[in-house]
Amino acid sequence: EAQVTQNPRYLITVTGKKLTVTCSQNMNHEYMSWYRQDPGLGLRQIYYSMNVEVTDKGDVPEGYKVSRKEKRNFPLILESPSPNQTSLYFCASSSPRGSTDTQYFGPGTRLTVL
Amino acid sequence: RKEVEQDPGPFNVPEGATVAFNCTYSNSASQSFFWYRQDCRKEPKLLMSVYSSGNEDGRFTAQLNRASQYISLLIRDSKLSDSATYLCVVNSPTGFQKLVFGTGTRLLVSP
Repeated sequence: EAQVTQNPRYLITVTGKKLTVTCSQNMNHEYMSWYRQDPGLGLRQIYYSMNVEVTDKGDVPEGYKVSRKEKRNFPLILESPSPNQTSLYFCASSSPRGSTDTQYFGPGTRLTVL
Repeated sequence: RKEVEQDPGPFNVPEGATVAFNCTYSNSASQSFFWYRQDCRKEPKLLMSVYSSGNEDGRFTAQLNRASQYISLLIRDSKLSDSATYLCVVNSPTGFQKLVFGTGTRLLVSP
């Protein structure tokens, strides 16, 4: 089954404790992206990657890091989480053939930073 | 001004009703337009792309007005299962495959 998976689905942590949210897709997609979703603000892009070893900042990259060492994986790293990073996070992937293609989203990770 | 603006709703309609959502976008160079559906606390899923000539998929009709930078979604014969948040999505010409999401319009269909 074609899918994007994220882990963990729920996480409660404390300020400053490094964490990683994993994202994996099995569709051989080149493009992957991370979003955060907050009430009243909609989905905002954090980082994106056009292919292995190619990443770039989205609209709200501060406090986050990413890496793309393999095509299927795109982990999101919070080196020193803060309460303002409490949010719902989505990973997405797509294959850039032709016009902007459908983005397939993972199920989301709900993060609470105390 | 937000790049993509939507009325947040909620729109409360009875089953069988016709309901329309509107969306405006600010970047006239945008080329790709979509409606995504998001159920409560779940991931967004593509509902339909929006083409210049307008397009229909069953009970759903999408329209694009480039001159007014306006997108619409019409749902006919609403079902209880249509209750969700509908996200208007536009590509940003400033970035490869960069999509800009509206904050969504919430629809509640009641029996």
